[in-house]
Amino acid sequence: AQTVTQSQPEMSVQEAETVTLSCTYDTSESDYYLFWYKQPPSRQMILVIRQEAYKQQNATENRFSVNFQKAAKSFSLKISDSQLGDAAMYFCAYTNGGGGADGLTFGKGTHLIIQP
Amino acid sequence: DADVTQTPRNRITKTGKRIMLECSQTKGHDRMYWYRQDPGLGLRLIYYSFDVKDINKGEISDGYSVSRQAQAKFSLSLESAIPNQTALYFCATSEPWGFYNEQFFGPGTRLTVL
Repeated sequence: AQTVTQSQPEMSVQEAETVTLSCTYDTSESDYYLFWYKQPPSRQMILVIRQEAYKQQNATENRFSVNFQKAAKSFSLKISDSQLGDAAMYFCAYTNGGGGADGLTFGKGTHLIIQP
Repeated sequence: DADVTQTPRNRITKTGKRIMLECSQTKGHDRMYWYRQDPGLGLRLIYYSFDVKDINKGEISDGYSVSRQAQAKFSLSLESAIPNQTALYFCATSEPWGFYNEQFFGPGTRLTVL
């Protein structure tokens, strides 16, 4: 079974600064996908960024980027120029590749606080 | 209009009551999922369905049952609710061989069992 670990229950950053959220995972599969989800107080699950295991290039979406280290099974999220609207719970998630998508495995989440 | 909807959005019930949470989708996806979120535990998979005739247990299925009434509808039932089933429940959908196997989430149902 796959596992996802987020070792930082809470992180705090000053507005406009950069913050990195950590995520490690364990799997015996070679084909898989990794995701970061944001959950603001509205509780909606919002996809922030995604990465395919076969792609060596790290994914980037505007101020959000990842550092994907496949050999180390690490998938960290970097948020640049932090904004007040970035305050939320962030979840790292894993799913197997191929057509057999049998659900996402989530980490326990990191609560991100943005200090004005 | 939302692609994945959940009803009710909030529900308070008493121990021992039967309750059903409903999920509907207009995305045309075959696969549907139910997750439970508890503080400090992230989201965990309860049940998932690949089509109307294919239903599978997830990590934490005990105390729950599901029904896939149609491609677009997937219901989660608590036959006899207990307080430790108080949680936030999410429905999600995906399509086979979809882009990144991405899942699309509903807005969630906050369930409180007294």
